[in-house]
Parts: sequence; C-alpha cells; structure tokens
Amino acid sequence: GEDVEQSLFLSVREGDSSVINCTYTDSSSTYLYWYKQEPGAGLQLLTYIFSNMDMKQDQRLTVLLNKKDKHLSLRIADTQTGDSAIYFCAESIPSSASKIIFGSGTRLSIRP
Amino acid sequence: DVKVTQSSRYLVKRTGEKVFLECVQDMDHENMFWYRQDPGLGLRLIYFSYDVKMKEKGDIPEGYSVSREKKERFSLILESASTNQTSMYLCASTPGQGATEAFFGQGTRLTVV
Repeated sequence: GEDVEQSLFLSVREGDSSVINCTYTDSSSTYLYWYKQEPGAGLQLLTYIFSNMDMKQDQRLTVLLNKKDKHLSLRIADTQTGDSAIYFCAESIPSSASKIIFGSGTRLSIRP
Repeated sequence: DVKVTQSSRYLVKRTGEKVFLECVQDMDHENMFWYRQDPGLGLRLIYFSYDVKMKEKGDIPEGYSVSREKKERFSLILESASTNQTSMYLCASTPGQGATEAFFGQGTRLTVV
C-alpha cells in the first residue's frame, strides 16, 4: 500500500542545520515533495525531486533521495526562526490523477 | 498566480446537518483533491477527481461525498455531520498527469457541535 512516514517533531538551534527525514513505501512514485505549512496557512511547495535523481540543491535546501531504501531527507542549512513550520513529505503515485500521498508532517521548532 | 479558493475559513455546524464545502480553482486544472488535516495524522485523502463528473475514493471517504459538475469547482459534502468530522479541510488541484506541484487552498476549519 501507499504510506509516507516522518517523525512528528524536530527542535534545532538557530544557525544549525535541520535534517527532516521521511520514508515511503510505493516504489512507483514519480515525484517526491517537501511542502511547508506556516501557522494558519495552507501548504506551499518548498521543493521536489524526480524519482530518478539522487540529490537536488536549492539555496539553503538540499534534498537527498535513496530510492533503494525509499528514504527522502530535507536539509535546511543555517536554520532561521522563519523556518519554523510543519514540513510535509509527499509522494506522487502514477494514476489517472497523479494522487499525492502526504506524511504526518514534522513540526520544526527553532531555539535561540 | 494559480489560485485555489475555499469558500469559508471557519464553519461551525450542528450534528446531523448537511454541510457543503466549496473549492474553486482558476487555472483549468484537471485534478482536484479534498484532504482533511488532523494533528499527528498529516493530510489524509478523502476524495479526488480527475475530470468533470469523475470521482474516486481516497483513503477515508466514509461519511463524505463529492460533486464535480464543472471543471473549476469541487465540492465536499458531509451528508450528516458528526463531531468526529471536526477538522481542517484542505482542497488542492494539479494540472494533470506527471504534475510537479499541487496548489492548495487556505483551508476550512470545520467544527461540528
């Protein structure tokens, strides 16, 4: 079946790197995503990676994909207070509607 | 900018009422989705639609139905609201197969009393 798992909480010190991990079960996933949800808002796409890639870097964000282990991670360098949010891992399942399955979300909190 | 608009930010309804949640997108997207978001459970897919009048059940369709009479509008219906349907409801749309991004509405927080 389709399942995406991630830990619920992560706390890091301001200026450190944050690493949010995710595992998924469907090996047919075409795209894997990281979405960010700030308090009181909907979800916004942060970054995504195509399933035939290993790594993608975008400014402070680095996405690593280990397809063999079905493991996805998001690294945020130099974490700032504005990075406080819930981060959702998601996978796109090939189908007539490219169904997107989300994880439970990881709440990232930043301590001074 | 792509816009997905949900008709209400907050709703309070009584147990047993019929509830309509409306979602409209303005980018001619093929696919539309309804999720509910609960703490610790993430987003769970209720129903989705890949074309007008087409719908498919997601992971938790019980107690819900949907309607897609026009391409831009996807409605979620609670036939008889119950307290366990108190939640945040999120609508999303994607342009088609192989889509790289889902666009979300701002969410409707529904409280059933």
